Amino acid sequence: AQSVTQLDSHVSVSEGTPVLLRCNYSSSYSPSLFWYVQHPNKGLQLLLKYTSAATLVKGINGFEAEFKKSETSFHLTKPSAHMSDAAEYFCVVRGFSNTGKLIFGQGTTLQVKP
Amino acid sequence: EAGVTQFPSHSVIEKGQTVTLRCDPISGHDNLYWYRRVMGKEIKFLLHFVKESKQDESGMPNNRFLAERTGGTYSTLKVQPAELEDSGVYFCASSHPAGQAGTGELFFGEGSRLTVL
Repeated sequence: AQSVTQLDSHVSVSEGTPVLLRCNYSSSYSPSLFWYVQHPNKGLQLLLKYTSAATLVKGINGFEAEFKKSETSFHLTKPSAHMSDAAEYFCVVRGFSNTGKLIFGQGTTLQVKP
Repeated sequence: EAGVTQFPSHSVIEKGQTVTLRCDPISGHDNLYWYRRVMGKEIKFLLHFVKESKQDESGMPNNRFLAERTGGTYSTLKVQPAELEDSGVYFCASSHPAGQAGTGELFFGEGSRLTVL
């Protein structure tokens, strides 16, 4: 069975400093992995996705994630946090049979301090 | 282009009452999904429609939940009778037509928050 574990429920950074949101996955085959973001009172928005092409994936708003099979990780990073990055972030793996059935991590709330 | 629209944004009902949530997917999206997040838990899959057919309803918690998608356009999710543990945020998502579901991005609505007292 597939699963994802987000290692931090809450991350706090200062504006202009790097962001690291950690995610480990478990899958019996090559997974499709995603990061979604939810800003307050908004829907879930896709940040980026990994589907077995390049291991370093670039997304919107300066975010990127690196797929590391040896570490079963898919951590999300951004070089410099902006106040508008404050939101909840979800690491997601696509379920077996390559459908739209997604398996979500528990979510990480990112706080950005001025 | 309009996104996925959900109604109501927030509903407060008493235990034992009925609530119907509605989702309007993006026009042309055959795939429609319902997900739910209960307090303190992760977002979980409920079911998947392809057009008007239920493709996968393995995530539906019990028979108090009924999802429909008549005509393959909008969908409703009815909870009858509602219980306290049904409180949470119900998300709807849609994606491109069948055949593209494997790589197609899911577009999510803002969610319907259900509070059962």
